[in-house]
Parts: sequence; structure tokens; C-alpha cells
Amino acid sequence: GENVEQHPSTLSVQEGDSAVIKCTYSDSASNYFPWYKQELGKRPQLIIDIRSNVGEKKDQRIAVTLNKTAKHFSLHITETQPEDSAVYFCATSQGGSEKLVFGKGTKLTVNP
Amino acid sequence: DAEITQSPRHKITETGRQVTLACHQTWNHNNMFWYRQDLGHGLRLIHYSYGVHDTNKGEVSDGYSVSRSNTEDLPLTLESAASSQTSVYFCASSEYTRTDTQYFGPGTRLTVL
Repeated sequence: GENVEQHPSTLSVQEGDSAVIKCTYSDSASNYFPWYKQELGKRPQLIIDIRSNVGEKKDQRIAVTLNKTAKHFSLHITETQPEDSAVYFCATSQGGSEKLVFGKGTKLTVNP
Repeated sequence: DAEITQSPRHKITETGRQVTLACHQTWNHNNMFWYRQDLGHGLRLIHYSYGVHDTNKGEVSDGYSVSRSNTEDLPLTLESAASSQTSVYFCASSEYTRTDTQYFGPGTRLTVL
């Protein structure tokens, strides 16, 4: 089945720095790539997503890039703030279906 | 406002008991999903449904069952709870279009003693 590898598992940055989280996947039929943010004790919430016909998407300080040839996609957060501290999950659609396969998460800590 | 809710939010039970976790959404979404979240494993799919009377097994379905009698609800049943099923359970839903966004419920923390 689909396998999603997410790196790093933990990331610590200083406020104002950039943070990058990378995911690789195995299923060439995957065509939907969302990123979720989960604060402690809360539900995962979608922060940005990209579909296979787009290489990059931006939303204010957050961007996602996709390289379908290499089967990897990345989350970029610029000008990080303490409230960006959370666990971030990448996911891919399994076999192009409505099912999602999740990476194991990255715990991001932004130090003031 | 439309939403997705789960109940109970916290549950403590004993090994061998049957437990049912509720999930209710008011978006009229066709697709509903159950995940469990454990440290080091991320979110793993237990069962999912693409519509009324449709249910399918996910990657960690052993010991769990679901039924879909209407669009709004997908209850998750642990037939005989085991300590290995201590986890946080999330329900999610999405519209009936391919590769659409999944919206998560607030989660249920289940402890099996």
C-alpha cells in the first residue's frame, strides 16, 4: 500500500526563521496532498493543500511545493511565530481515492 | 453552523467490554472516516464509508466495526475492548468528490484498563 515518509520528526527554530518539512510518497496515482496542523489536545486542521496539476501554492506565510517526478512535497513556513508551534502532518490520497495516508508528523517548536 | 461532533470526549472502560464511539456530521457529507492516533504512528485509518450502507476496512480494522444507517452518523464499535486499543480516536468527513478535504471531529480519548 501507499507509504508516506515525513522528515524531520522534530524541528526547533527561532522566531522569525523559516521552517521546512518534507514528505515522500510511493503511489504514483496520488493526486491530492494536504497538510494538517494539530495543536496539543486539538483536532487536526487543514492549513494548505495542493493537487497534482499545480507545482506550488502559497497562502500568506505558508507554501507547499510538489515534485511529482520525484514523489515528494514540502511545507514551507516563513517568518515563524510561537503560535506556529504544533505537530504538522502531511498526507496523500491513496490510489487517487478519497482515502488519505498520513505521515507520522513533525513536532515544530518556535522559540521566542 | 454545520459541524462534526464526537461523543463521548473521554471514556474509560475495562478489557472485554463493548464500547461504541459516536460521530455525527451536519454537512451532509457522503464520506466518513475513523482514525486512531498513537504516538509514533500518526493517524491510521480504521474504517471508512462512502455512503449509507457502505462500509470498508482500513489498515487497522481488527477488533473494530462500523455501520452507516444514515448520512449523518458513523458509530465505531469496539466489540471486546483490549488495552492495545487505548488511543485517541478521530472521526472525519468529506464531500463526495475525488480528493476532497477531510474535516476532523474533536476526538475521543479512550482508555482501556
